[in-house]
Amino acid sequence: KNQVEQSPQSLIILEGKNCTLQCNYTVSPFSNLRWYKQDTGRGPVSLTIMTFSENTKSNGRYTATLDADTKQSSLHITASQLSDSASYICVVSDSGTYKYIFGTGTRLKVLA
Amino acid sequence: GAVVSQHPSRVICKSGTSVKIECRSLDFQATTMFWYRQFPKQSLMLMATSNEGSKATYEQGVEKDKFLINHASLTLSTLTVTSAHPEDSSFYICSARPGSVEQYFGPGTRLTVT
Repeated sequence: KNQVEQSPQSLIILEGKNCTLQCNYTVSPFSNLRWYKQDTGRGPVSLTIMTFSENTKSNGRYTATLDADTKQSSLHITASQLSDSASYICVVSDSGTYKYIFGTGTRLKVLA
Repeated sequence: GAVVSQHPSRVICKSGTSVKIECRSLDFQATTMFWYRQFPKQSLMLMATSNEGSKATYEQGVEKDKFLINHASLTLSTLTVTSAHPEDSSFYICSARPGSVEQYFGPGTRLTVT
C-alpha cells in the first residue's frame, strides 16, 4: 500500500534555531517528492520538488534531501523565523497514476 | 503564474441547505481539477478528481450525490455540498493541473454548517 509517513508529528523550536523534518514513503513506482508549507487556514504552497535522480534541493532557508534507495526524505530549515510556524507536508506522486499521496504533516511552532 | 482561486474563502450555512464552492485557475487551463477535504490537524484527503467535460471520479467512501462536482470549463470547477450537515464542516481545498503531473492548490474554503 502506498503510504507517506512523517515525523515528528509536531515540533516546537526557538527562533533562530535549525530543525529537520523527516518523511518516509513506500510509494511505488516513484515519480517525485514534494515538500509543502501550509499556513493555518490556507492552501499548501510548494517549497521543493525532487525527482528520483536528485539528492538535494534548496529554496532559501529550506533544504530538502532525498534518498531514493532508502525511500527517505528530509526538510531542513535553517535559522528559523516566527513565520515558519506552519504545517509541513511531504507529498509523493507515483509514476503510474500521478496521484498525490499526502503525508500526515509536521506541525512546526517557532517561538520568540 | 499558476494561480488558483477559491470562492468563497469562508461560508456558514444552516443544516439541510446546499452550498457551492468555486475553484478557478486564473492564468492557465486546467484539464484536471481535484477536490480535497481537510479536518483539523489532519492532512488533505482526496475527495474526487474531475476532468473538463466529463463526470468526476470519486474516491471510495465519498458520496457523489452529496458532493456534486461540475467541471464545465477548463478554468472552473464547482463543488456543491447538498443537504449539508454539521459533520460536513471542514476545510475544502481544490487544486488544478494543467498537464499530467503538477498540481496547483487553491487557498481553501472553510465551511461551517450550523
